[in-house]
Amino acid sequence: DIQMTQSPSSLSTSIGDRVTITCRASQSIGTSLNWYQQRPGKAPTLLICGAFTLQSGVPSRFSGSGSGTEFALTITNVQREDLATYYCQQAFTSPLTFGQGTRLEIK
Amino acid sequence: QVQLVQSGAEVKKPGASVKVSCRASGNLFNTYSLHWVRQAPGQSLQWMGWINAGNGNTHYSHHFQGRVTLTRDTAASTAYMELTSLRSEDTAVYYCASLYHDLLTGHQYYDIWGLGSLITVSS
Repeated sequence: DIQMTQSPSSLSTSIGDRVTITCRASQSIGTSLNWYQQRPGKAPTLLICGAFTLQSGVPSRFSGSGSGTEFALTITNVQREDLATYYCQQAFTSPLTFGQGTRLEIK
Repeated sequence: QVQLVQSGAEVKKPGASVKVSCRASGNLFNTYSLHWVRQAPGQSLQWMGWINAGNGNTHYSHHFQGRVTLTRDTAASTAYMELTSLRSEDTAVYYCASLYHDLLTGHQYYDIWGLGSLITVSS
């Protein structure tokens, strides 16, 4: 199975800040990388597919980058509603494995 | 908008089995690739397996060593996940999710998730 490693595991930030979450794959996955947001007590929702394609309805302050084995999710101008845990997922090959998550806390 | 409606929370004893259902609204059930993902308290998301709702083909995670069985009832637009020989480590929220495959871009991702079914294993 492809292992996905996220960092950091948690992040504390202030409203209006910019944050970056990184995700590393144990082997090259091209751009087959998705990002999900999971708010407390809710199911995950898709933010970005194909490493950088923003889903319809997702605010433009979210952006994705990377290819191969190194990826990043950046949130500019963080808002209170961004309080959540963020997961990367490789969609290159089955099983579609997830990173361990990054919990974003708002100061 | 298609929805996946899951069965409710259950409490089971160690060694028992549980069967979770996932009903799809709308009339395109046979086109779905339905995946099951679980999340233990405070943990990440763990893929369990998937079923092709059209032909019933399945594929399972080796992690569960034959304890998981996925089935579907096309007439009821419902998929099922049965987990046997339950242990305390199986306490988790179990999600069904629909895998979307964009034929133009090749991207695939979970576009629709159920709300989750909390399964608690406790003596």
